[in-house]
Amino acid sequence: DGGITQSPKYLFRKEGQNVTLSCEQNLNHDAMYWYRQDPGQGLRLIYYSQIVNDFQKGDIAEGYSVSREKKESFPLTVTSAQKNPTAFYLCASSIDPETSDYEQYFGPGTRLTVT
Amino acid sequence: GIQVEQSPPDLILQEGANSTLRCNFSDSVNNLQWFHQNPWGQLINLFYIPSGTKQNGRLSATTVATERYSLLYISSSQTTDSGVYFCAVLSPSGTYKYIFGTGTRLKVLA
Repeated sequence: DGGITQSPKYLFRKEGQNVTLSCEQNLNHDAMYWYRQDPGQGLRLIYYSQIVNDFQKGDIAEGYSVSREKKESFPLTVTSAQKNPTAFYLCASSIDPETSDYEQYFGPGTRLTVT
Repeated sequence: GIQVEQSPPDLILQEGANSTLRCNFSDSVNNLQWFHQNPWGQLINLFYIPSGTKQNGRLSATTVATERYSLLYISSSQTTDSGVYFCAVLSPSGTYKYIFGTGTRLKVLA
């Protein structure tokens, strides 16, 4: 089955700890994205990557870091510098290089709670 | 940058009713998607519809790119249609960023 996996589904951390959220896709998509969603709100873009070894800041990148060492993987680290890290984090991918299809697909999300 | 607005922000329907959700965007776009976010948070792709009309069961969508809007029609609504509906467009700036609307929260009552 082609798709996007995120792990874990729920994550609990103590304040002051860095935490890394996993995102893997087997859709052969070029681009990958991280969004944050707070309760009752829309999606806000944290980081995105159009190709391997390259990524760009989104609208709310402060306190987050990413890497894109492999096409399939785009992990997100929530650092202790992020003031309000408790949120729902969604990973997405798009751009099929064979068809130039720009349809975006989402993983199931990770709910992060920091206390 | 491009602005994406959705209306109405909230909608309550009785099961079996029909509804129309609207997505307006402020600039020309080549890509537009509709998503349904279910109560568990999963975003489900409904339509990839840069222009024209598509139908999938009780749902259909129409995008009029020249007039900068898209409509999502839900007919004979069911309680499982409840959730939040988002539209998203690919930024015309060439950055491969998607701009999301603020969503329409739909509740279908049994």
